[in-house]
Amino acid sequence: DAKTTQPTSMDCAEGRAANLPCNHSTISGNEYVYWYRQIHSQGPQYIIHGLKNNETNEMASLIITEDRKSSTLILPHATLRDTAVYYCIVRVENSGYALNFGKGTSLLVTP
Amino acid sequence: EAGVAQSPRYKIIEKRQSVAFWCNPISGHATLYWYQQILGQGPKLLIQFQNNGVVDDSQLPKDRFSAERLKGVDSTLKIQPAKLEDSAVYLCASSFSIPRTWQNTEAFFGQGTRLTVV
Repeated sequence: DAKTTQPTSMDCAEGRAANLPCNHSTISGNEYVYWYRQIHSQGPQYIIHGLKNNETNEMASLIITEDRKSSTLILPHATLRDTAVYYCIVRVENSGYALNFGKGTSLLVTP
Repeated sequence: EAGVAQSPRYKIIEKRQSVAFWCNPISGHATLYWYQQILGQGPKLLIQFQNNGVVDDSQLPKDRFSAERLKGVDSTLKIQPAKLEDSAVYLCASSFSIPRTWQNTEAFFGQGTRLTVV
C-alpha cells in the first residue's frame, strides 16, 4: 500500500466544516483512498472511500485532486462527537490485505 | 446486526504472566484480524485469518504471542509471558470475503481490550 502523510492534529469549531488533508503522492492507478476514524476508546470505523471522483455519503465528502496525489475529507458541519483520530489509507479496493494504519490526524472539535 | 464482540474490555496483569483475549466476529465474516495499538500510534496488524487459516502473521511476535481460530469463527489471542511493552489495546476486526476471490470488503472493528502490564 502507498504511504500517506497527514497533519498530526487539527482543531475545528463546532458547526463549521472540518477539512482534513492527506497526501499520497505515490498512489498507484488501482489504489483507492480510504478514510477511517477512531473515537476515543472505540475501534476504527469506516467513513468513505474513492478512486478519482468526489464521493459523498451521510458521514462525509471526499475530494480527490485530479492528479490523485492528495485528497481532503470534509465533515460539513462538525459536532463534538466528531472529535477523533482520522486515518487516511490508500489501498486496492477490497484488497485481501489488512488495513495499514499510519498515525492519522487527531481532530478536536471545540464548542 | 451485531458487531464484533471482544472480551474482556480491560485486563491488568503482572509481567511474565499470561493473558488471553477473545473475539467473536460478525456472523458470516470469513476474515478476522488482530491488531495491536500502542498509545499514540495507529493500529498495527498482528495476524490475519481467512476462515481457520492464517493469511499473514509476519508481525506477530511468535516467541510470546499465539492466536487461533479453530472452527473458523471465534478467535483467541494469547500472550505468554507478557512484557511491559505489551501494554496496548488489542483490536479484533472482521470483514466479508467475496466468494471465489481473494477480496475482502470493509473491516468492522470491535471496541478492543485494553491490556496493562505492570
